[in-house]
Amino acid sequence: DVKVTQSSRYLVKRTGEKVFLECVQDMDHENMFWYRQDPGLGLRLIYFSYDVKMKEKGDIPEGYSVSREKKERFSLILESASTNQTSMYLCASRRLQGASLGANVLTFGAGSRLTVL
Amino acid sequence: GQQVMQIPQYQHVQEGEDFTTYCNSSTTLSNIQWYKQRPGGHPVFLIQLVKSGEVKKQKRLTFQFGEAKKNSSLHITATQTTDVGTYFCAGLLNTNAGKSTFGDGTTLTVKP
Repeated sequence: DVKVTQSSRYLVKRTGEKVFLECVQDMDHENMFWYRQDPGLGLRLIYFSYDVKMKEKGDIPEGYSVSREKKERFSLILESASTNQTSMYLCASRRLQGASLGANVLTFGAGSRLTVL
Repeated sequence: GQQVMQIPQYQHVQEGEDFTTYCNSSTTLSNIQWYKQRPGGHPVFLIQLVKSGEVKKQKRLTFQFGEAKKNSSLHITATQTTDVGTYFCAGLLNTNAGKSTFGDGTTLTVKP
């Protein structure tokens, strides 16, 4: 089974702190994604990466940056955490798109619940 | 930009009743996926629909993709308490575009 591991299940940070959320996948997937999930707002895409060293902004990139130096690892960075970034953060990976069976399917990690005080 | 609307937001049913959630896109989709998130869990892939008018079944779950490839539905027959959770649809605009757009989800509660 594909495994997507997020380093921290729960974090509590203070306003202004720099926060790193780490995500590692073990199935050699090319694509990786960061979403945030808030009640009533569904899953909103922050950033995604097609492959190593590639990144594209999603729908809500403001206040975030990402890093993909290795294929298996996709990091989300909050340069200066704010209270409105308190949320559940979900990482996902996906095999490169195409017509093959199983392509396009997102596999999610367990999530990282961040509280910014 | 592409929008995917999902209704209802919440549905409370008695065990044994049926349940349906609907998903509508503002643009024609290449495919649509459905995910289930159990309380306290993360979204898990259920199914992907690709063809116009496609219907797929998984036991008590029936998934449909509209003829125009702009809407989809998930129907659960005779709900059970194990069906509780939030069901999300995710629409892909075209297979080379990269990102899927998620609906806001329908949260199902089942009263025993």
